[in-house]
Amino acid sequence: AQSVTQLGSHVSVSEGALVLLRCNYSSSVPPYLFWYVQYPNQGLQLLLKYTSAATLVKGINGFEAEFKKSETSFHLTKPSAHMSDAAEYFCAVTSADRGSTLGRLYFGRGTQLTVWP
Amino acid sequence: DVKVTQSSRYLVKRTGEKVFLECVQDMDHENMFWYRQDPGLGLRLIYFSYDVKMKEKGDIPEGYSVSREKKERFSLILESASTNQTSMYLCASRRPTGGIQPQHFGDGTRLSIL
Repeated sequence: AQSVTQLGSHVSVSEGALVLLRCNYSSSVPPYLFWYVQYPNQGLQLLLKYTSAATLVKGINGFEAEFKKSETSFHLTKPSAHMSDAAEYFCAVTSADRGSTLGRLYFGRGTQLTVWP
Repeated sequence: DVKVTQSSRYLVKRTGEKVFLECVQDMDHENMFWYRQDPGLGLRLIYFSYDVKMKEKGDIPEGYSVSREKKERFSLILESASTNQTSMYLCASRRPTGGIQPQHFGDGTRLSIL
């Protein structure tokens, strides 16, 4: 079974401050992990994905995430927040195990990021 | 870029009506998915389809059905709409080959059942 836990349903930071959004996963097989962002009244947009090639993954808009197997974590960071980063962020996990349902994503409940001027 | 188009952004229907939500993708993707999104619950999978005429139940299929007659189109059907089906519905598509491919999402349909 696979699942994702996002710690903190709401995170607030000041513009220019570090952004840290937490994601822990549970998977019985090697996981593949994604971060998506959702701006108001829009669908989900892919920020970045981990597919085992490198543990530090760089995504769009200055975001990056580090896969830590020992901690079962895939936290999302950005060194300096911008007002335009205000959105909801979702972490998701899947696996490529052919015994599983290929391509199915399991999502966390989301973290709403607020950026104060 | 992949384009996933959902036929309506906002929809208002009445209890008991049969409701159709349509989703079309333009990238010849085999896999398609329907989710509902509710505050504090994240995205929950309703149904998905590996390919034409194939469908699999997700986590919350009760009260819903789907149709995949053509590769580019995946329809979600609310057989008899109820107020607890008021939600945001998101469609996604994905190519299953060439490594671990992400899902691409439409902009969503906000459905209100009165």
